Amino acid sequence: KAGVTQTPRYLIKTRGQQVTLSCSPISGHRSVSWYQQTPGQGLQFLFEYFSETQRNKGNFPGRFSGRQFSNSRSEMNVSTLELGDSALYLCASRWDWGTPPKELFFGEGSRLTVL
Amino acid sequence: DAKTTQPPSMDCAEGRAANLPCNHSTISGNEYVYWYRQIHSQGPQYIIHGLKNNETNEMASLIITEDRKSSTLILPHATLRDTAVYYCIVNAGGTSYGKLTFGQGTILTVHP
Repeated sequence: KAGVTQTPRYLIKTRGQQVTLSCSPISGHRSVSWYQQTPGQGLQFLFEYFSETQRNKGNFPGRFSGRQFSNSRSEMNVSTLELGDSALYLCASRWDWGTPPKELFFGEGSRLTVL
Repeated sequence: DAKTTQPPSMDCAEGRAANLPCNHSTISGNEYVYWYRQIHSQGPQYIIHGLKNNETNEMASLIITEDRKSSTLILPHATLRDTAVYYCIVNAGGTSYGKLTFGQGTILTVHP
């Protein structure tokens, strides 16, 4: 069974540009979460989607947005990139939302560098 | 989510047990204790979780104190591949489970 797939794995952008990252969850998983990891702030939750609706949101500015499609695949977008947006962006999936928890499955991440 | 406190780093000899402590003194009655680890440049990996009772799986054991204010993750026979950052997380599960609060974690270094 394939794991969580994130694309692209690496990308370089310049300040002011925008970027879209993609996440394909494990087959059958319907909930997708996004996290940002930086050396200074560590792992921080961005948002979670289930059934194409945002269910939880972290404390990030409106430049960070996401969506989920009917096949559960998700994208996140960062507009007007800043140097501080350089980070590893991680996607995680789980089978359902609201059910007793077991584990989140994380992808390998998309490493964004903003110059 | 309740806050957790972990030592910044620990060392362990290969083949010995690694005991990683976590303090979560403000944990609520409905909150679980989860452990994840992150090997360099990879996504975090689930290890184990528990509510009140001690738990064991193929990777590790989780010992939760009776008052639930602290817990210990035990890797019974550490290998070099267990070198990673270990995160102790408290979360109520259910609708909030996708929103995990990661602290700084414990960097475990396993030595030959």
